[in-house]
Amino acid sequence: EAGVTQFPSHSVIEKGQTVTLRCDPISGHDNLYWYRRVMGKEIKFLLHFVKESKQDESGMPNNRFLAERTGGTYSTLKVQPAELEDSGVYFCASSRTDNYGYTFGSGTRLTVV
Amino acid sequence: RKEVEQDPGPFNVPEGATVAFNCTYSNSASQSFFWYRQDCRKEPKLLMSVYSSGNEDGRFTAQLNRASQYISLLIRDSKLSDSATYLCVVTLMNTGNQFYFGTGTSLTVIP
Repeated sequence: EAGVTQFPSHSVIEKGQTVTLRCDPISGHDNLYWYRRVMGKEIKFLLHFVKESKQDESGMPNNRFLAERTGGTYSTLKVQPAELEDSGVYFCASSRTDNYGYTFGSGTRLTVV
Repeated sequence: RKEVEQDPGPFNVPEGATVAFNCTYSNSASQSFFWYRQDCRKEPKLLMSVYSSGNEDGRFTAQLNRASQYISLLIRDSKLSDSATYLCVVTLMNTGNQFYFGTGTSLTVIP
């Protein structure tokens, strides 16, 4: 089966600009997660979708971040306006059930300058 | 306080050596435990789940000690291809399937 796909793989934007990251989960996986790793820190949870519903968005850092999953398929994560501290690697992951390890995408490396 | 603590290393070991990593978790309500492997600039990949009874997959053995709240990973007969960062991951009982990651332990296997 195809894995979790993320686009773009890299993005360099200026402070104040908007960036939209996309994640296509494995087909049939209802659970979709966004995580982020900033330089020197551990990977941290951002939010969790079950189909099109936000199950848990407790990790979203602030209201500059907006995640959507219309139709319960792919998801987007928009950062608007981007700040320097938003730089990092954004991982998406998906799972079929809510009680097992999941599959990660290769990540989007975001650099805000 | 971090949910998961790992020694970042680096661990540099010769081929064929046995190496062990430990990871401690702070919340006694931790529910599920995993070891993930992450190669440089790649995504984390599931290496193995960790069970109280311990589990083994080839050269890899994982153990969970709930009383002491630590998880271990033992790699026997290290191969060059084992060089990677090993991430300890836990989930908590009341936060669904949200993963809490350690910062990872870096392993380099030397020829």
